[in-house]
Amino acid sequence: QSALTQPPSASGSPGQSVTISCTGTSSDVGGYNYVSWYQQYPDKAPKLMIYEVTKRPSGVPDRFSGSKSGNTASLTVSGLQAEDEADYYCSSYAGSNNVVFGGGTKLTVL
Amino acid sequence: EVQLVESGGGLVQPGGSLRVSCAASGFSFSNYWMYWVRQAPGKGLVWVSRIKSDGSSTSYADSVKGRFTISRDNAKNTLYLQMNSLRAEDTAVYYCAREYGDNDFDIWGQGTMVTVSS
Repeated sequence: QSALTQPPSASGSPGQSVTISCTGTSSDVGGYNYVSWYQQYPDKAPKLMIYEVTKRPSGVPDRFSGSKSGNTASLTVSGLQAEDEADYYCSSYAGSNNVVFGGGTKLTVL
Repeated sequence: EVQLVESGGGLVQPGGSLRVSCAASGFSFSNYWMYWVRQAPGKGLVWVSRIKSDGSSTSYADSVKGRFTISRDNAKNTLYLQMNSLRAEDTAVYYCAREYGDNDFDIWGQGTMVTVSS
């Protein structure tokens, strides 16, 4: 149950696009289409932004999109806004009824 | 309003026990798989445990297996996590969460802090 690998930080200017990667193995990210992304503000609970690799829950802006290639999933935030500044976590089903999270990426809007 | 509210956190000595609860409201609790996820101070999210909607199936992260027990009371719309043999590394905010589709979580509680220290 090793954590998925995310870059510690990412940044972009308002209006730009930024992509956050999430690297696992063939036993988790690469083996299942059950990758999710969460947004978390300081001292707040996480919020589901993307599920099943590419799907957005109701109410999540279409500026947020997800994708996957092999063992690496990605979250892209287009048209960056100040309120997008937060921590982002990926997660994946890892077989045997286990779920594994990434270490988190702090997104800064410059 | 769909809501999860955790309670029961606090300070406990190493080797001690604690039970945290999660009260659900605004949805049909008995229809959903439920999870516990924790977050140590300044650290990332870590999956802890899950339980099937009817309580018939459970699973645990290796780090808590044999020490923690997840359970639920669908009549009371409440999820529990019994934590025994607590260690300093169990110190974290414990969140309960509702499964949305498959292994993803759309509703989270506000979290309850568990501190293991002498």
